[in-house]
Amino acid sequence: GQNIDQPTEMTATEGAIVQINCTYQTSGFNGLFWYQQHAGEAPTFLSYNVLDGLEEKGRFSSFLSRSKGYSYLLLKELQMKDSASYLCAVKDTDKLIFGTGTRLQVFP
Amino acid sequence: KAGVTQTPRYLIKTRGQQVTLSCSPISGHRSVSWYQQTPGQGLQFLFEYFSETQRNKGNFPGRFSGRQFSNSRSEMNVSTLELGDSALYLCASSLAARRGLLEQYFGPGTRLTVT
Repeated sequence: GQNIDQPTEMTATEGAIVQINCTYQTSGFNGLFWYQQHAGEAPTFLSYNVLDGLEEKGRFSSFLSRSKGYSYLLLKELQMKDSASYLCAVKDTDKLIFGTGTRLQVFP
Repeated sequence: KAGVTQTPRYLIKTRGQQVTLSCSPISGHRSVSWYQQTPGQGLQFLFEYFSETQRNKGNFPGRFSGRQFSNSRSEMNVSTLELGDSALYLCASSLAARRGLLEQYFGPGTRLTVT
């Protein structure tokens, strides 16, 4: 079956670093996406990993280990505007299978 | 470049009715995917269209259908609405090639409430 697990909620302090984990078990794998979704808004693309290793993009980094079925999103220098849901999605052929998302709350 | 647009943004229907939602992709994008988002289930894939053909389908009943036009605009239809169909319906477009799906850009969604 298809299964993508993420923590439901996380909290962190402004200026800190937070790591959001995602584990997956899918019948196919052609890459992993991370999306950010603010309340009441559409998801926006953050990162895409298809090979093992770390992809860095400004304050955000994403890591993938295909052998472990594991990814994480690392957010540095947290800002209040980073309070949002973070969605992990696995590309299975031409479908995106989403986890239920991690709601991150950043406190001052 | 204009983003993905969806109409209407909000809709209230009663059980048993049918509804049609519309999505206009980013100019040049030929792939359109539809998702249903609910608090308990998260984002669930409905179907994907590429060049007017349904290329992939999720695990939803036949009451959910869609189509794509030659200008890549897409519509989805839900017939015989049920209370459980209340959700945010998101459309995403992609600069997909025949070999597969690339990064997706989401529209603002249509919030459907079934009473």
